[in-house]
Amino acid sequence: DTEVTQTPKHLVMGMTNKKSLKCEQHMGHRAMYWYKQKAKKPPELMFVYSYEKLSINESVPSRFSPECPNSSLLNLHLHALQPEDSALYLCASSQVHRGSEQYFGPGTRLTVT
Amino acid sequence: RKEVEQDPGPFNVPEGATVAFNCTYSNSASQSFFWYRQDCRKEPKLLMSVYSSGNEDGRFTAQLNRASQYISLLIRDSKLSDSATYLCVVNDRRGGFKTIFGAGTRLFVKA
Repeated sequence: DTEVTQTPKHLVMGMTNKKSLKCEQHMGHRAMYWYKQKAKKPPELMFVYSYEKLSINESVPSRFSPECPNSSLLNLHLHALQPEDSALYLCASSQVHRGSEQYFGPGTRLTVT
Repeated sequence: RKEVEQDPGPFNVPEGATVAFNCTYSNSASQSFFWYRQDCRKEPKLLMSVYSSGNEDGRFTAQLNRASQYISLLIRDSKLSDSATYLCVVNDRRGGFKTIFGAGTRLFVKA
């Protein structure tokens, strides 16, 4: 089973709100990723967690705060976002973070008003 | 020069046609390579990994040429359901295995 789940599917939030995106996988993968994808563009890597430790932060603004509570869960906490942060946020996982295949969740479509 | 470059297309082909996509990458130390497909408003789905020896999965063949730093995807006997965006993905060892997506090639298969 190569399933990664994400909640919520859609989220509309104001610029002063605080919200969280959630991602879960039960494949025993030890690497998890957050990507941001704007319309007609490829996914852009935001964060990588490897063995529950933050491994890569692609200079993402601090209004995005990742958290990996355990090996199956990945959260992305959102605070004081801007309208330009509206995008599809994709979570992915892979066996390990050394170039192995990544499996994506269906994404959360975020609109910031 | 972009780290991973693809012809954006679109490629418009009839059913049954053979179509080939190429992708070039700039870092010779890149470690692993993949093709993903992405349907409109859906997540990317892994199509196949790409190896130097080449690999085939049904109608799909992928090839890696490390000397020339490009990867290719060949689709034979195109089906309507092959219509999608095909994303070339490279894992770059710089900065700790950074995953880089190409911009994607849009394919339309027509009846």
